[in-house]
Amino acid sequence: KNEVEQSPQNLTAQEGEFITINCSYSVGISALHWLQQHPGGGIVSLFMLSSGKKKHGRLIATINIQEKHSSLHITASHPRDSAVYICAVQQNTDKLIFGTGTRLQVFP
Amino acid sequence: DAGITQSPRYKITETGRQVTLMCHQTWSHSYMFWYRQDLGHGLRLIYYSAAADITDKGEVPDGYVVSRSKTENFPLTLESATRSQTSVYFCASSEGASYGYTFGSGTRLTVV
Repeated sequence: KNEVEQSPQNLTAQEGEFITINCSYSVGISALHWLQQHPGGGIVSLFMLSSGKKKHGRLIATINIQEKHSSLHITASHPRDSAVYICAVQQNTDKLIFGTGTRLQVFP
Repeated sequence: DAGITQSPRYKITETGRQVTLMCHQTWSHSYMFWYRQDLGHGLRLIYYSAAADITDKGEVPDGYVVSRSKTENFPLTLESATRSQTSVYFCASSEGASYGYTFGSGTRLTVV
């Protein structure tokens, strides 16, 4: 079993829909990261969080340490949000353990 | 330009050849990492470095060599490339556990 599991693996949405991507992990962590990767592109860090909730524009990330679960929400989704979203956890080191990603497609 | 730069962006090489992927960062971050990304797997750590002249193996180090003689550079060498090393390689840097990570744009390597 992978230490970091994401769901769903693939997600299709219509423009304007509210989107939720989930991440569950089985190890103790010091922080959790959400990353975005556009097709053929590099990887961009969206959030790093260790508790509670963070918001940046239309993106919201939450984490529940007790339940070992995090969610990434996208409000009012747009075709430019189409990308792979990757959850990664950081233990008490500087190394990350990655999920396999959620591929999101938003259609006009 | 400030940031983290990988070169080349694309590389095709033959089995058995030595190839070096370059990574350069301008922030003087202490930590640098090499990951490979393959379908069906999350990014997997190949090697990392906590500072100049300090390197350590990650999850999948076999067939790779790294060096870090200067803080800003962290080249990855495939000593004798194999088809199983066809992948997209990402370099990343970080100032430490309490800070985020910055990733390069990736190098798509094909071994034929």
